[in-house]
Formats: sequence, C-alpha cells, structure tokens
Amino acid sequence: AQSVTQLGSHVSVSEGALVLLRCNYSSSVPPYLFWYVQYPNQGLQLLLKYTSAATLVKGINGFEAEFKKSETSFHLTKPSAHMSDAAEYFCAVSGGTGGFKTIFGAGTRLFVKA
Amino acid sequence: DAGITQSPRHKVTETGTPVTLRCHQTENHRYMYWYRQDPGHGLRLIHYSYGVKDTDKGEVSDGYSVSRSKTEDFLLTLESATSSQTSVYFCAISEGTKEAFFGQGTRLTVV
Repeated sequence: AQSVTQLGSHVSVSEGALVLLRCNYSSSVPPYLFWYVQYPNQGLQLLLKYTSAATLVKGINGFEAEFKKSETSFHLTKPSAHMSDAAEYFCAVSGGTGGFKTIFGAGTRLFVKA
Repeated sequence: DAGITQSPRHKVTETGTPVTLRCHQTENHRYMYWYRQDPGHGLRLIHYSYGVKDTDKGEVSDGYSVSRSKTEDFLLTLESATSSQTSVYFCAISEGTKEAFFGQGTRLTVV
C-alpha cells in the first residue's frame, strides 16, 4: 500500500532560521504530492503541490518543496522562519499506486522560538 | 474557501449510542472523504466515496458506516460509539488526484 513517512514529529527552530520538514513516500509510480498546514483548531490548508511538472514547487507563505524521485522524497523548506509559521504540517500523496485516495503522513509540529 | 460544511462542530455522546456526522459540499466535487485525526497518527482515512451510492473502506473503517445519497452530502455513522472513537473528524472533497479541500472538523467525545 502507498504510504507517507514524515521524519520528526516535532521540529523546533529559531525565528529567522531555515525550516526543513522531511517527507518520504513509497510508490513505484510517481504520485501527486502535497503539503498541508493546520493551525490550531482549524482544518487543513494546502501549502503546495507537485503534479509532475517542475520538480521544485513554490507554495504560499514562502514555502517550497523539491520532488526527488531517486530519493522518493518531497521535503518542505523555508529560508527564514517566522513566528506565524508555528503549526502542524502534513505531507500527503495521491495517485501513483494508491489511486485517487489521499493518504497523509503522521504530521510534524513546527515550533518557532523568538 | 471551498464550500464544505460539517455538522455538528462539537458533540458529546454516551458509549453505545449511534452518532451521525454530516458533511455538505457546494462544489459538486465527485470524491468525498472522512478522516479522523488523533495525536501521533495524522489523518487516517475512514471511508471515501467516488460517486452517489459508491463508497469504499479506508484504513480504519471498523465501527463506521457511510452513505451518500446525493452528490453534496456524505454521512458518517458510528453504529455504537466507543471511547476509542473520541477524535476530531474531518470531511474532505476532491476531484480525483487533485488537492483535497477540508471542512473545519467535528470534535466528538464519547463518554
């Protein structure tokens, strides 16, 4: 079955530092990949998506992610963290060998220190 | 924002009682999903629908059933609620493998 693994359930960075959230997927066929963000007591919002066009994808709020087929990875980065980035981030996959269903990773909670 | 409404937003129920959660969309998307969110598990797929009266099980479907009699409505029923079903439930919609849009969630507590 198709799956998504997010390395690190919690990541803490200082304001202004680089944010790196890791995501690896398992699929023999390149799937569609997504990053979602969830703020407290809210639903999920789409940050960015990879749909087989450019491998470097830019999203909202200064985030970007790079699809690396050889590493089956789709890591999320932001050059400079802001306090407002504190939230939970979910990597997700659809398509590939899993059909249209969207499968989520366990999530990574990002803490930003002043 | 995508037009997705979940009701109720909060519910407390007793063990052994049936509970139905409703998801209503105004986007005419074909696919609808129910997920539950629990700490350390992310979002886990309970059931999904790929059309009116077309539904299938996800990874955590035991104890849950669904129905979709109209494109816009997707109901999730806990047949006999247990404490392990205390969770936050999210409905989502999509058009195939494109991104999913989420409702605001329903916080269910089973006592």
